[in-house]
Amino acid sequence: AQSVAQPEDQVNVAEGNPLTVKCTYSVSGNPYLFWYVQYPNRGLQFLLKYITGDNLVKGSYGFEAEFNKSQTSFHLKKPSALVSDSALYFCAVRDVGSSNTGKLIFGQGTTLQVKP
Amino acid sequence: SQTIHQWPATLVQPVGSPLSLECTVEGTSNPNLYWYRQAAGRGLQLLFYSVGIGQISSEVPQNLSASRPQDRQFILSSKKLLLSDSGFYLCAFGGGKTIAGEQYFGPGTRLTVT
Repeated sequence: AQSVAQPEDQVNVAEGNPLTVKCTYSVSGNPYLFWYVQYPNRGLQFLLKYITGDNLVKGSYGFEAEFNKSQTSFHLKKPSALVSDSALYFCAVRDVGSSNTGKLIFGQGTTLQVKP
Repeated sequence: SQTIHQWPATLVQPVGSPLSLECTVEGTSNPNLYWYRQAAGRGLQLLFYSVGIGQISSEVPQNLSASRPQDRQFILSSKKLLLSDSGFYLCAFGGGKTIAGEQYFGPGTRLTVT
């Protein structure tokens, strides 16, 4: 069965430092991978996706993610964190069996806290 | 551009009362539509999805139901709310019919059952 794991409930980082939010996945075939961000009492915002090609994917607000097939990981990164990056982050994988349903499997989320 | 609307934004309902949450999408046709519930600000639970008008698939058995009366309208309903129905309800569109399958989310409805 397909699954996504975000091993850290919370990540704390100082403003200006690099940040990493971890995600690992398990799918039977090739994955489509996504990152979303959620601010309090708001809907999820799409950050970036990996389909195929370059393992380093660049997205919105200076975020990027690195796909590592051998480690089945898709970690979210940013070179220099901002206080405004503090939010809840979700990793998701496309169910390869979803065909036209497009269902996504989401991780449990990681709270990012950036301190001034 | 594509946009998604949900209403109401917040709702407080007594146990046993009915529920109707509405979601509409603009700027796209024949989208896949999804209802999620998020409890305690954490994980997302997929409740229903629809790949076309009148086509509803349920992911979790419960006292909620969904309908898609029009191409870009998705409604979440209940005849009698339970305390456990409290949560943050999110509608999304996209999925299989977008190039990469990403979903785009609405602003959500905060439901409190008292």
